[in-house]
Amino acid sequence: QVQVVQSGTQVKRPGSSVKVSCEFSGGTFNNYAFSWVRQAPGQGLEWVGGVIPTFETAYYGHKFEGRVTITAHHSARTVSLELNTVTAQDTAVYFCAKTRLRYVFPYFAFTDVWAQGTTVIVS
Amino acid sequence: EIVLTQSPDTLSVSQRDSVTLSCRASQSVSASQVAWYQQRPGQAPRILIYGASTRAPGIPDYFRGSGSGTDFFLTITSVEPEDVAVYYCHQYGSSPLTFGGGTKVEIK
Repeated sequence: QVQVVQSGTQVKRPGSSVKVSCEFSGGTFNNYAFSWVRQAPGQGLEWVGGVIPTFETAYYGHKFEGRVTITAHHSARTVSLELNTVTAQDTAVYFCAKTRLRYVFPYFAFTDVWAQGTTVIVS
Repeated sequence: EIVLTQSPDTLSVSQRDSVTLSCRASQSVSASQVAWYQQRPGQAPRILIYGASTRAPGIPDYFRGSGSGTDFFLTITSVEPEDVAVYYCHQYGSSPLTFGGGTKVEIK
């Protein structure tokens, strides 16, 4: 059974960096893409970006470019998101999700397995 | 960037009513690459529909997706108490991927 499990809650100071990770199990890591989606308190879903392990390539939402790095770690079967220079507006639940892979741009299809989410508080 | 606008913001319905949620895209979505997700309070989202109209495994047949181009719809043909949730549409036809703002379904 495919599962994606995330690291726990983090509290960060404004201006610092936060790194969140998720671990994949139950399937072939290179067969999928992985997306990061965040949800601010009481708000909707926002695609931060994603990574395609077999291409070793990441793509980012426009508002996050230059401030975020998403990386796949093949041996550990984990995916990480690092967000720099955080502000209170980055306070949110960050979800890691297994995403179906397409072999044409934009390569990411729909997400079908979501992790439980990591709460990041910037204060 | 494709902007998805969902309407209405909130639907208050009676149990066993049929409801239709709307998702309008700011430009045509390539090959109907639209998904719908359900998010119950305090939970992660769950995939319901992909490819505009294909139900994900294990999703009951009273959830139906339809539409093409710029207009997409999710119909719940008989709302049950466990369907109280926020529903999001999502396009993955072009980068960056985007989500709609959500429609909250509640039972009167």
